[in-house]
Amino acid sequence: EAQVTQNPRYLITVTGKKLTVTCSQNMNHEYMSWYRQDPGLGLRQIYYSMNVEVTDKGDVPEGYKVSRKEKRNFPLILESPSPNQTSLYFCASSPHLGTSGGLTGELFFGEGSRLTVL
Amino acid sequence: SQQGEEDPQALSIQEGENATMNCSYKTSINNLQWYRQNSGRGLVHLILIRSNEREKHSGRLRVTLDTSKKSSSLLITASRAADTASYFCAGYNTNAGKSTFGDGTTLTVKP
Repeated sequence: EAQVTQNPRYLITVTGKKLTVTCSQNMNHEYMSWYRQDPGLGLRQIYYSMNVEVTDKGDVPEGYKVSRKEKRNFPLILESPSPNQTSLYFCASSPHLGTSGGLTGELFFGEGSRLTVL
Repeated sequence: SQQGEEDPQALSIQEGENATMNCSYKTSINNLQWYRQNSGRGLVHLILIRSNEREKHSGRLRVTLDTSKKSSSLLITASRAADTASYFCAGYNTNAGKSTFGDGTTLTVKP
């Protein structure tokens, strides 16, 4: 089954304790992205990756790191979490538009990771 | 802030009625997509309309796009209780390589 898998789905942690949220997709998609969803603020992009070893900042990258060492995996790292990073996080992937390149922008989302930082 | 703005923020209708949601965006797009999100779950892609298209249908969904007004609408016909969810528009720009989401419309369909 084609899917984007995130772990953990739920996590409660304390300020300053490093954590990693993993994301894996089995659709051979080049593009992967992380979003956070907060009430009243919609979905905001944190980081994205066009391909292996290529990552770029989104709209709200502060306090986050990512890596893309393999095509299927795109972990989100919070080196020193703070309470303002309490949020619902989504990983998403998107395919390239065949050999002509370019993206349709259609995103396939994981089920989300609800993070609480105390 | 998000590029897209959905209107209304919340919509409550009876089963069988039609639901119309509107979306406005600010910058240039190559396509616009609509997604659905059940409470606390991941977003699911519903339909994509390209910037050179004006209307598109998929089952009970009808999407329109007016690039001159930078707006789109999503119509769900003959709504069902199972359509209860939040609906988001997302404008995609190829050059930016990203989709920018609106704040969503929460639809409640009462049985």
